[in-house]
Amino acid sequence: RKEVEQDPGPFNVPEGATVAFNCTYSNSASQSFFWYRQDCRKEPKLLMSVYSSGNEDGRFTAQLNRASQYISLLIRDSKLSDSATYLCVVNIADSWGKLQFGAGTQVVVTP
Amino acid sequence: NAGVTQTPKFRVLKTGQSMTLLCAQDMNHEYMYWYRQDPGMGLRLIHYSVGEGTTAKGEVPDGYNVSRLKKQNFLLGLESAAPSQTSVYFCASSPRVNQPQHFGDGTRLSIL
Repeated sequence: RKEVEQDPGPFNVPEGATVAFNCTYSNSASQSFFWYRQDCRKEPKLLMSVYSSGNEDGRFTAQLNRASQYISLLIRDSKLSDSATYLCVVNIADSWGKLQFGAGTQVVVTP
Repeated sequence: NAGVTQTPKFRVLKTGQSMTLLCAQDMNHEYMYWYRQDPGMGLRLIHYSVGEGTTAKGEVPDGYNVSRLKKQNFLLGLESAAPSQTSVYFCASSPRVNQPQHFGDGTRLSIL
């Protein structure tokens, strides 16, 4: 079983709609969670950290469910520029700063 | 702001050749990392460093060596390139344990 699993998609979303997707992780002791965004053939860029109480950054909302070991990302009022691959990232609890990356969920926003 | 800079951006090698990829960061970060990314797979950690003069193996270290002689630089070496090492290589850095990592814009390496 992979340590971090994501639905690869693609999620095809009409402009202005809402899209949400999850990521599951296997290590119950993991403590740090992030969502990164990666555009085609570019470097990953931090979108947001995920906090235990859930957090929001503009149109983006992240949630953490420790009991079921998943994190989620919701994008409201989708823009064409939101088209990208979203990487779920979880720390490896027994290591020094090492993060485990999911393979990513592709989102395609259409006009 | 330069952030994390990788050189070169592209390189084509023949099987058996050697080369070194350079990563430089100007954020005074302690931790540095080398990843490879292949189609359909997540980023896989090759080697990492928790400070100047230290290195450690990641998930896929075979065929690679690294050095961190200066805090701002992290070098990745391929001693004898193989076609299986064709990939996109990303360097990243972070200030402390479990902090978000900042990435360079990648090196696209093809081994023929």
